[in-house]
Parts: sequence; structure tokens; C-alpha cells
Amino acid sequence: NAGVMQNPRHLVRRRGQEARLRCSPMKGHSHVYWYRQLPEEGLKFMVYLQKENIIDESGMPKERFSAEFPKEGPSILRIQQVVRGDSAAYFCASSPPTSQGKRTEAFFGQGTRLTVV
Amino acid sequence: GESVGLHLPTLSVQEGDNSIINCAYSNSASDYFIWYKQESGKGPQFIIDIRSNMDKRQGQRVTVLLNKTVKHLSLQIAATQPGDSAVYFCAERSGYSTLTFGKGTMLLVSP
Repeated sequence: NAGVMQNPRHLVRRRGQEARLRCSPMKGHSHVYWYRQLPEEGLKFMVYLQKENIIDESGMPKERFSAEFPKEGPSILRIQQVVRGDSAAYFCASSPPTSQGKRTEAFFGQGTRLTVV
Repeated sequence: GESVGLHLPTLSVQEGDNSIINCAYSNSASDYFIWYKQESGKGPQFIIDIRSNMDKRQGQRVTVLLNKTVKHLSLQIAATQPGDSAVYFCAERSGYSTLTFGKGTMLLVSP
């Protein structure tokens, strides 16, 4: 059972270009979360998605950032017109549907390290 | 807003010692807590979790203690090994909300 798969692992973009980060959740998981991590800092929540729905995007910047989790295929975090301040590690996590009120842990991918030059 | 924070940014221990990593949380509605370990260049790895109806939970070489009165969480690692060197994060969740992470504590284990 493969874990959460993120690609690419490393991504270099010039200022003004677009960055697309992909996340394939674990099999059977329908909840996806995106987090951003700056060097030597904790993970900052960005967005929480279920299939075809954005549940909570309170951590997403208002401009240039968008996320989707289509019915088929991976979740995509898209950053338009990247700036140097977007350089960070972006982590995706997934969890199964909650059942009987149980709150299960989220499993993380290895992250995509975005560098904007 | 509500936040989760750690008392110590870096903890240095000798191999074989027991390690204790502390975490304070401020959201009194939090009812689920997780400790994650993150090695350099990797994603966070689940270590152990605890629900608010418990005050202690044990795993393999790790114990999590929860004190709801003072909103404090700790992770105890027995017989710390060099492979335990990493950054440790506590995270909390309220209901079905997303996980909120603290800043992390770096654990350095000397042979």
C-alpha cells in the first residue's frame, strides 16, 4: 500500500512562472490537506479538500494560489506568477473518511521543495 | 487565534538517556493530539496520538502525556537513540477541523 505520493520532489521556477504541485493520497483516503513549511518552522495549514470539494481554505493566500481535488486523479496545488517568497516545502497529507466519530491521523507525503529564482 | 507552541526549540541528550519534549496548546476545545517526527528532507511521520478522554498513552519506547488542566502535552522517548534525532512537532485538532502544528523541537542525540 503506497503512501502519500507527491511530485515533483523538487521544483525550480523563475519569478512570474506557474508552479503545479501534485499529491496522490493513500488508497482509500478521500481527505487531502496541504501545508507549507518554511525552513526551521512548523507546518502552516493551507487548504483541506475532499473529492471535488474545498472544505476549508482559510490558510490559502487570497491571490495566486488555488487547489483542487478532482473526482479522478491527484490533488493539485497551483501557484501562479510565483515570487521568491513562495519558496518553501509544500506537504500534502491524506486521511480516510472519518467514521463513528473517530478522528484518525493524517499521513504525510515527502513534500515538494519549491525554489523560486 | 488559537495556537500550539513548544517550550524548547532544541533538546540535546546522550544516547541511552530518556528524552522529554513538551508542548503547550491554547485551544481548550482541542480533543485530539498527535506527535510527529520529521527528519531532514522528509515529511512528518506519525509517532503517537492521544484523545482528550485519556491522559496517557504508550507506544514502543514512546509515551504521550496529556494534562488538560494546564493544556500541556509531552512526548517521552525512552533510551533515546541517534536515529531519534529529528524535529518533533505536536499537532492538535478540534472536532473535525484541520490539524494545527506547533513550531517544533529539534532533538539532538549524541552517541
